[in-house]
Amino acid sequence: SQQGEEDPQALSIQEGENATMNCSYKTSINNLQWYRQNSGRGLVHLILIRSNEREKHSGRLRVTLDTSKKSSSLLITASRAADTASYFCATINSNYQLIWGAGTKLIIKP
Amino acid sequence: NAGVTQTPKFQVLKTGQSMTLQCAQDMNHNSMYWYRQDPGMGLRLIYYSASEGTTDKGEVPNGYNVSRLNKREFSLRLESAAPSQTSVYFCASSEHRGRAFFGQGTRLTVV
Repeated sequence: SQQGEEDPQALSIQEGENATMNCSYKTSINNLQWYRQNSGRGLVHLILIRSNEREKHSGRLRVTLDTSKKSSSLLITASRAADTASYFCATINSNYQLIWGAGTKLIIKP
Repeated sequence: NAGVTQTPKFQVLKTGQSMTLQCAQDMNHNSMYWYRQDPGMGLRLIYYSASEGTTDKGEVPNGYNVSRLNKREFSLRLESAAPSQTSVYFCASSEHRGRAFFGQGTRLTVV
């Protein structure tokens, strides 16, 4: 079974709005990572947050981590058409394997 | 610096045929992965290699074999392809518990 589960499965917003997507996981983690995938291409790393961190920023991205709830959120502010993509969270399981959720498909409408 | 190189990019196989997907990374990473991604879904781990000479099964290993002959290369072999193995395959590498770098994927169709 997959370690992470994203919510919502799909999200459609107007350009300029903020987009928030969530990820829940099942076991204790060392870190949680967010990635973007454009049109079935390889995934691109966005941000890594360690288990002892609660919030992290990178440009227009803000990631939070709540280890007590086993959840994380990714906020993209001031969305652009180029942000249209699928977003995945990933965690390391007890066998040191990187395991993925099903992803959130984000569509930015002009 | 090429990162992760995967070949081929596209492949069509007939049921029962065999093939090997090649993956090489030039970042000196210990960890390497093979995933498959079906339409509208996330990545499912086929096999994982923590270091040269070691491999572990992931979530969906049936029908696949892997080989990690050296630190750079991690190959995935389909011995007898089945239509259920039609998918996009991704190779990735990472430092221990670190960010992963992906190849561009192999689109495999089994007819």
